Amino acid sequence: QVQFVQSGAEVKKTGASVRLSCKASGYTFTSHAMHWVRQAPGQRLEWLAWINTGNGNTKYSEKIQGRVSITRDPSASTTYMELRNLRSDDTALYYCARAGGGTNWAYFDSWGQGTLVAVSS
Amino acid sequence: QTVVTQEPSFSVSPGGTVTLTCALTSGSVSTSHYPSWYRQTPGQSPRALIYTTNKRSSGVPDRFSGSILGNKAALAITGAQADDEADYYCMLYLNNGIWVFGGGTKLTVL
Repeated sequence: QVQFVQSGAEVKKTGASVRLSCKASGYTFTSHAMHWVRQAPGQRLEWLAWINTGNGNTKYSEKIQGRVSITRDPSASTTYMELRNLRSDDTALYYCARAGGGTNWAYFDSWGQGTLVAVSS
Repeated sequence: QTVVTQEPSFSVSPGGTVTLTCALTSGSVSTSHYPSWYRQTPGQSPRALIYTTNKRSSGVPDRFSGSILGNKAALAITGAQADDEADYYCMLYLNNGIWVFGGGTKLTVL
């Protein structure tokens, strides 16, 4: 079955960087794009970025563009998100979410369990 | 900046029907936004319910249906059950390769 194992919780200082990972299993990794979504405590879901796991093309939200990089390692079926120059409002649960395949690319059909990132001064 | 709005909260009686909506602050929602809907319960990851306006995700009962109502996307839940209590989020695809979530609707069944 489709599964995602996300890396463990992180506690960081403001200005630091964090690298999160999302290891996929149960399907052909390069057949589905991967998205990253975060949710601050008690807040809405916020779309952050996506990566074409086949060719590595990426797209980022305007809010975090310039501070974020999404990469993937097809040999390890893993997607990575690096967020730099962390701020307190980056404190959130970060999810990886798989895009539907084929013509159903525009929604997220499976989600990871989330990685908590806490940022403080 | 494009903002997607949903009712902050809604209440439905057990067995009743409720329709949640999803609007754009500027413009109308259409099928070209590929509206999708997700349900999230406390401490859990979101789960897809509806995609591409009106397709049900795998395993989702037909009590859940999606549509375009006027200039909004809509999620209808019929025969509401206690375990339908959750936060419901819509998501829209903007044609510049960006996705946006709505603010979510907290549904209470009582």
